[in-house]
Amino acid sequence: GNSVTQMEGPVTLSEEAFLTINCTYTATGYPSLFWYVQYPGEGLQLLLKATKADDKGSNKGFEATYRKETTSFHLEKGSVQVSDSAVYFCALSDTSGTYKYIFGTGTRLKVLA
Amino acid sequence: GAVVSQHPSRVICKSGTSVKIECRSLDFQATTMFWYRQFPKKSLMLMATSNEGSKATYEQGVEKDKFLINHASLTLSTLTVTSAHPEDSSFYICSANQVTYNEQFFGPGTRLTVL
Repeated sequence: GNSVTQMEGPVTLSEEAFLTINCTYTATGYPSLFWYVQYPGEGLQLLLKATKADDKGSNKGFEATYRKETTSFHLEKGSVQVSDSAVYFCALSDTSGTYKYIFGTGTRLKVLA
Repeated sequence: GAVVSQHPSRVICKSGTSVKIECRSLDFQATTMFWYRQFPKKSLMLMATSNEGSKATYEQGVEKDKFLINHASLTLSTLTVTSAHPEDSSFYICSANQVTYNEQFFGPGTRLTVL
């Protein structure tokens, strides 16, 4: 079945450091891939998405490229800010027609001033 | 963009009572909505798929008599936690599938605390 594997957290970085959060997936067919962010006490916000191989999603300085050859969708940001502290979830859309999403376990990011 | 609301945002209830949570798609119609449960510092667990005009499809291990789902219109799904107990305390999040974008849009979540 389809699955998402996300790097374990927490990740602690200093402000302006480079961020990478790894995400790999297993899927039949061609799923869409997503990164969501969740701030404390809030719901999920879509950060970026990619719908086909080699697509790059980007938003608010974050980027991720849909790599079919490595089945990866790693999240990157060149310079993190304290306000980026949150939990980040990688997800894929199920390819069996159910519209379900499969989520990774989430990675908590803490950025220190 | 597509907006999904949830009501209430927080609810505290006594053990044994039932609680209803509403999920609305505000600017689009959604034939399919989803209900998730999130434990503290954990990922989202899909509870069920809510289908407009038909019965919900529950994930394995989710008690359908405990978590009643009704999707009576194209913009509203409700989750009723029946005879709530402290172990039902959790963060419940809904999402609605927007067919045009083929994407789920998430509500802000409901924090349920059962005393």
